[in-house]
This record gives sequence, structure tokens and C-alpha cells, in this order.
Amino acid sequence: DQQVKQNSPSLSVQEGRISILNCDYTNSMFDYFLWYKKYPAEGPTFLISISSIKDKNEDGRFTVFLNKSAKHLSLHIVPSQPGDSAVYFCAASAHWDFGNEKLTFGTGTRLTIIP
Amino acid sequence: EAGVTQSPTHLIKTRGQQATLRCSPISGHTSVYWYQQALGLGLQFLLWYDEGEERNRGNFPPRFSGRQFPNYSSELNVNALELEDSALYLCASSLGTGDLEGTQYFGPGTRLTVL
Repeated sequence: DQQVKQNSPSLSVQEGRISILNCDYTNSMFDYFLWYKKYPAEGPTFLISISSIKDKNEDGRFTVFLNKSAKHLSLHIVPSQPGDSAVYFCAASAHWDFGNEKLTFGTGTRLTIIP
Repeated sequence: EAGVTQSPTHLIKTRGQQATLRCSPISGHTSVYWYQQALGLGLQFLLWYDEGEERNRGNFPPRFSGRQFPNYSSELNVNALELEDSALYLCASSLGTGDLEGTQYFGPGTRLTVL
């Protein structure tokens, strides 16, 4: 049962344009969502997060949008840079459900920025 | 500030042996999480320790165990190694159950190869 889904395994975007990565979830208990960036054989690097009480969070070039009714979140990267090429993982937790702080990860989207 | 550290970077074992992986959390973090990323698979939650206690474990056999020490560092032990245990093992830390959001920060991982 894949509770967090990233339906696009890969995405290619021209440098300078906007990258939009999508994520869907099924568990309504999830209340905290995160995006991580990962290079092969390295640990994930935390990018940005959003609590379920918000619908948008922005940090520099990164913005995360949350649509709770649709159980959908997206990560926008503007402008996209070559260094953004990596695998991006969406993750979710039921943080206020004690004992469930574990992260449930999506399967990842490989983002390639074309110079 | 130092991030999450893991040792060793690489570990090669043979079937039936035991492996011990170590993790030091970010200073001030009391929660430590272990995840497995096997080839071609996503990140799967293994274990969560907080304040020295095991709080939750994922869907893994009892061969996978661990502990958390008084200084909040942690050890993951894998007994009776099987070939399919070959994976990247990632440790993450967070501020613990008192944190309002619970962002987890990851270490670089230990690559375990079972021959």
C-alpha cells in the first residue's frame, strides 16, 4: 500500500524555467510534509516542509503548496539551476499521532535540468 | 554545527554474519531514525529511538535491532545477514517528540554489501 505517491519517475526542465514536482498521499492522518533532495549513495538533504495548517510555504527558490482536500502537494523550483538535478523525494508523517513520527516516502522523481 | 554522522561508510560482510552500523545525531537531537534504501526500492522506515527507548519499528524481521545510548547516538545491528540486506542504510535525527514539526535530518548513509 503506497501511501505517498510520486507518479512522475522523471522530469526534464530547461535551465531558468520552473520545475514542478508533484506528490499525492492517501493517509488523512498525515499532518506534516517534507521534500528532500538526494544524490546517489548519499543521504537525503532536507529542502522544505509544510504543516497541514498551511497551504503554502516558501524558502528562496523553493515553494511547497499543499491542497489537503485533494491530498496533493507540489514543489516549485524557480528558477531551475543545473545544480538542482537530483532525485526529489516527497515524505509525510503523522506527527501528532504519537508513535508515528516515522517518515513515509514517495518513490522519488528524477529531475534533470537542461543547460 | 556538525550534521548527522554515520560509520562506517562502506561495510562488506558475508551471508550469516552480523553487521553493526553506527550513527551520531545532530547535537541537541534526541530522536534517531533508521531507514533502508535497497536497490530499486524507496526509503523504508526501520526503527525509531527516542530518549533511549525504541518507539516504533517498521515491517522488518527481528534480525534488525538496535539501541540508543545515553548520549543519543545509536547502533543498528543486523544479524544472520542475507543477500537482500544489501542496501544503503540511512540514519536521521530530529529534536524528538517535543518538537512541533519533527523535521528529520539525514546522515550520508552506510553502504552494506552482503556477499
